[in-house]
Amino acid sequence: DQQVKQNSPSLSVQEGRISILNCDYTNSMFDYFLWYKKYPAEGPTFLISISSIKDKNEDGRFTVFLNKSAKHLSLHIVPSQPGDSAVYFCAASALSGQNFVFGPGTRLSVLP
Amino acid sequence: EPEVTQTPSHQVTQMGQEVILRCVPISNHLYFYWYRQILGQKVEFLVSFYNNEISEKSEIFDDQFSVERPDGSNFTLKIRSTKLEDSAMYFCASSEFAGRMDSPLHFGNGTRLTVT
Repeated sequence: DQQVKQNSPSLSVQEGRISILNCDYTNSMFDYFLWYKKYPAEGPTFLISISSIKDKNEDGRFTVFLNKSAKHLSLHIVPSQPGDSAVYFCAASALSGQNFVFGPGTRLSVLP
Repeated sequence: EPEVTQTPSHQVTQMGQEVILRCVPISNHLYFYWYRQILGQKVEFLVSFYNNEISEKSEIFDDQFSVERPDGSNFTLKIRSTKLEDSAMYFCASSEFAGRMDSPLHFGNGTRLTVT
């Protein structure tokens, strides 16, 4: 039972363009969402989060959008840089809980 | 910036042996977690720990697994009798609070466990 889905296993984008990574979830109890970036041989690094009371959160080049009715969120990276090449994980939790459920990840390749 | 540190970075063990994976969470954090990632698969929650007790655990975290905070700084995951399918990257994480927007999980770089 995949509660958090990232249907694109990989994505390639030209440097300077926008990267859009998508995430869907099935559990309506989820109300807290995070994006993590992971380089090879390193642990996941927190990028940005959003709670269900908001539909957008922005931090520099990274913006997360949440569509609660569609149970969908997306991470926009503008402009994309080669250093953004990594695996991106969407994770979700109910605020009342401690267990973060991770999606399978999307490997982003930013081409120079 | 404070980090979560994990040792060893790579552990090779024979099937049936006990292993202990070690983690030093960020010092002012109160919540501790273990996750694992089998090669090519998703990151899976194992267990969360707060106030010297397990708070939540997944189906993966069966009787072969245990966690402990033996002192004020270390957080350990023990696998009593390893199986081939326990081979994975094990990530320790910590957070200051649970379920708060301003308190995300901070992960260590992982321990790669190989069971032969």
